[in-house]
Amino acid sequence: GEDVEQSLFLSVREGDSSVINCTYTDSSSTYLYWYKQEPGAGLQLLTYIFSNMDMKQDQRLTVLLNKKDKHLSLRIADTQTGDSAIYFCAESNDYKLSFGAGTTVTVRA
Amino acid sequence: DADVTQTPRNRITKTGKRIMLECSQTKGHDRMYWYRQDPGLGLRLIYYSFDVKDINKGEISDGYSVSRQAQAKFSLSLESAIPNQTALYFCATSDNSPTNTEAFFGQGTRLTVV
Repeated sequence: GEDVEQSLFLSVREGDSSVINCTYTDSSSTYLYWYKQEPGAGLQLLTYIFSNMDMKQDQRLTVLLNKKDKHLSLRIADTQTGDSAIYFCAESNDYKLSFGAGTTVTVRA
Repeated sequence: DADVTQTPRNRITKTGKRIMLECSQTKGHDRMYWYRQDPGLGLRLIYYSFDVKDINKGEISDGYSVSRQAQAKFSLSLESAIPNQTALYFCATSDNSPTNTEAFFGQGTRLTVV
């Protein structure tokens, strides 16, 4: 959706960190989400952050939120081949989700 | 068994044909959604329903219609399919939380209109 923007592609070496960035427009969004889509599958919720938080860490995943700049990022530490997927940023707006175009992450050996 | 089930998983149809995509859920959620996914465009909302008697247009509803037959079922129809409706279609559900709109997705239906 045009309200949520993210870069389309990211290539990362196995073992390195991946950082996927996203900008959104609705400052009233209470939650912001990262979804993962593996090939041939639907989207699955990876993690989310409440809008009054700056950071959330969950194992290899770190979400950073800059509300002033409306910028959200997802860092994946020690990227593995199983992390190859499309990652979608989403904001909640009137009980509906608005998605970015998705970032295709390719992990190379 | 999947919580959100879409049928069919794949469909090829001819231009001008009517086609229905079906979605059923066992999550017990009131809210259901239909999205389409196109490369480089992400997911765009077609229609959504917050209750059995509630139907709302999303950002790209032209050429589509929906029916919410029961809490667990939400079907999407293309009355007269056209080639630019070729896409991957997803059904999703969410609960009634006023703030957390976590959505649960089906596996998708790949539709090709020739």
